Amino acid sequence: GAVVSQHPSWVICKSGTSVKIECRSLDFQATTMFWYRQFPKQSLMLMATSNEGSKATYEQGVEKDKFLINHASLTLSTLTVTSAHPEDSSFYICSARALRGGPTDTQYFGPGTRLTVL
Amino acid sequence: GQQLNQSPQSMFIQEGEDVSMNCTSSSIFNTWLWYKQDPGEGPVLLIALYKAGELTSNGRLTAQFGITRKDSFLNISASIPSDVGIYFCAGQAGTALIFGKGTTLSVSS
Repeated sequence: GAVVSQHPSWVICKSGTSVKIECRSLDFQATTMFWYRQFPKQSLMLMATSNEGSKATYEQGVEKDKFLINHASLTLSTLTVTSAHPEDSSFYICSARALRGGPTDTQYFGPGTRLTVL
Repeated sequence: GQQLNQSPQSMFIQEGEDVSMNCTSSSIFNTWLWYKQDPGEGPVLLIALYKAGELTSNGRLTAQFGITRKDSFLNISASIPSDVGIYFCAGQAGTALIFGKGTTLSVSS
């Protein structure tokens, strides 16, 4: 149980185009999903917290107009990188919080999406 | 953003040896988590700690939640080649996770 999928697993795009990444919780409902970015040999940095049915909360320094997040259902959140540039190339990882209503709510991570912007 | 101090940054050990890594923070956390990440994949949860002083094991892995709630350690006993990877600690206060910079473990057989 507690499986999170991401699609696509990798994508290459031209500079200036937009890319959409999907994050799905396959066997549980997640009212909260998180989007992280990880550069090579670095740690995961939280970009935004996505709550179902409401606007995402972005971390300081993350442009909300560039990284559009939609959390339309309890099992799906999408991240759209708009007008992508080479510096946006990174490993994007989502996580979903299994809702059990207490401090033991655990985040389960997806396998990540490798974005390369040419 | 805020990060935890995780050490060592990397370790090179022989198969069968024990390993220890730790994380410290200037902030108090309610939950400490340890993840393992293989190249090109997302982190996989190894151990979750919810109470100060808690000592929890998962097979050959043992982790403890520091009494001050500002630190945690992870021990791996009798390492095997498949233990290779990057280990991250993460502290949780509220819903967000703050990750350490990772410990890269290499195991030679």
